[in-house]
Amino acid sequence: GENVEQHPSTLSVQEGDSAVIKCTYSDSASNYFPWYKQELGKRPQLIIDIRSNVGEKKDQRIAVTLNKTAKHFSLHITETQPEDSAVYFCAASFGWGKLQFGAGTQVVVTP
Amino acid sequence: KAGVTQTPRYLIKTRGQQVTLSCSPISGHRSVSWYQQTPGQGLQFLFEYFSETQRNKGNFPGRFSGRQFSNSRSEMNVSTLELGDSALYLCASSTFENNEQFFGPGTRLTVL
Repeated sequence: GENVEQHPSTLSVQEGDSAVIKCTYSDSASNYFPWYKQELGKRPQLIIDIRSNVGEKKDQRIAVTLNKTAKHFSLHITETQPEDSAVYFCAASFGWGKLQFGAGTQVVVTP
Repeated sequence: KAGVTQTPRYLIKTRGQQVTLSCSPISGHRSVSWYQQTPGQGLQFLFEYFSETQRNKGNFPGRFSGRQFSNSRSEMNVSTLELGDSALYLCASSTFENNEQFFGPGTRLTVL
């Protein structure tokens, strides 16, 4: 079936350290993998995405890697800052306009 | 460009009533997807519309329906509301060429 698993569910890091969130997906036909950041009371915000023809993508302190063979992808945040505290969701595309989301990771960055 | 907008932002209804939520996509975006967000179930896909046609549907009962107008604005309707329908309803818009979805602020529905 269509499933995206996300780990860990909570992640506490010290400011300046790195954070890594991992996701696996079930459908090998998925070809688009976005990551969203949702702050409390706010809408999910697209922060980075990767397509199946790319293995890695980086945007300043954020990077995403994709392993199509193993069907998993990861979000890496370096030099974490307090404003990185939020819930992060991974997702995989399953057909037209459908994103299947992971359960989310609560990231807490302590000064 | 203006972002995705949703109205109303908050709704309180009682069981058995029906509700209509509205979503205006980013200018030029013709695809609108709807999601339900709850603490227990997370973000779940409801349906997607493109050029006034429903192209994809999630696993929700028939009480949940939607439509899209020629200007790409979309509405979703929930009939015979149940307590479990209390949630944040999010819509997201994207272009036809890619799947990048941008979310609106959501409508917080409370069913009493």
